[in-house]
This record gives sequence, structure tokens and C-alpha cells, in this order.
Amino acid sequence: AQSVSQHNHHVILSEAASLELGCNYSYGGTVNLFWYVQYPGQHLQLLLKYFSGDPLVKGIKGFEAEFIKSKFSFNLRKPSVQWSDTAEYFCAVILDSSYKLIFGSGTRLLVRP
Amino acid sequence: SAVISQKPSRDICQRGTSLTIQCQVDSQVTMMFWYRQQPGQSLTLIATANQGSEATYESGFVIDKFPISRPNLTFSTLTVSNMSPEDSSIYLCSDRLGGQFFGPGTRLTVL
Repeated sequence: AQSVSQHNHHVILSEAASLELGCNYSYGGTVNLFWYVQYPGQHLQLLLKYFSGDPLVKGIKGFEAEFIKSKFSFNLRKPSVQWSDTAEYFCAVILDSSYKLIFGSGTRLLVRP
Repeated sequence: SAVISQKPSRDICQRGTSLTIQCQVDSQVTMMFWYRQQPGQSLTLIATANQGSEATYESGFVIDKFPISRPNLTFSTLTVSNMSPEDSSIYLCSDRLGGQFFGPGTRLTVL
């Protein structure tokens, strides 16, 4: 079965540290890839998405992600995190022409001031 | 991007009762999606709602438990029927394919 894996369930960083959250999917066909963020007590927000073209995608709030097809990965990065980045981050995939978003299990990020 | 609103934002319900959640989009959309986020877990698609046809349910979800209405291109409802504590979740609607945007969610607690 197709799935999305987020390897780190909990990440703790200090402010100004660099961030990389892993996301891997298991599917050999065409994919559309997404990262969502859910701040404490708030609703889900789209950070960035990849459909085609440049595999390095820039999103809001200084986040970026790189699609590496050979590794089936779409890792999220930020060079310098802030306390306000404390949130849960979800990777999600749409397979081929399906409409269905398949979510990873999420990564809880805590940034210490 | 469309703006999505949901009502109610939260509710506490008794076992055996039903709750209807409303989702309103500020522009016309062909497909609307309902998701569930159980405590501490990721999001799972419940069903896809098309205007003018029956909703399409994902494996593990049935119409009798989660009836959905889609009376027009900007509105949908999800009913959680005969609730049990296991139905305590956040229920979210989403408005479109690829780059889906989510409503703020309805936090349901079943006692």
C-alpha cells in the first residue's frame, strides 16, 4: 500500500538552529507533494507544494523543500528556526491523478527560545 | 485561494446523539473533502462530496455513520451519527484538489 513516512515524530531545536524534517513516500508513479503546518490551537495551513518543475520549492515563512525523485523524498528545511515555528508539520502526497491527499503521521517541532 | 469556514468550531456531545458540521466555501468548488484527525494522529480522508451526486466514502467509513450533503457548490455538511467516544476528533473540510486548503476544523468531544 502507498504510504507517507515522516521519520521524526518529535524534534526539539534551539532558536537559530537549522531544521530538516524528513518525508518519504512509497509510490513509483507521479506524485504531487505538500507540507502543511498546524500551529498550536490553529487550523492546518499549506506551507508549500510541488507539482512539477524545479524540485526545490520555496514556501511561506522561509521554508523550502526539495523533491528528490530517486530517493522518494520531499524533505522540509529552514536555515534558522524561530520560537514561532513551534508547531506540528505534516507531509502529504497525491498519487497520479487521484484526488486523495495521503498524510504522514506528522512531526511535532518544539523550538526553545 | 478560497476561504473556508466551519460550524461549530467545537462541541461536546453525549454518546448516541448526532452532530451535523457545516462547511462553507466563499467560491464555487466542484469537490469538497471531509477529513478526520483523531487525537495525536494524522489526517484521514472520510469522503469526497460532489454537488448533485452521492458522496464517495473511503475504506472504513460508511454513509450511515457519516452522511454527507452537498446541496450546492459552496456548501456541504457532515453528520456524525450515533456518536461514541471513539468519534472524538477534529473534523475538517477541504475545498479542492491539489493544493487543498482546509477549514479551521470542528473539535468534537463525545462523552
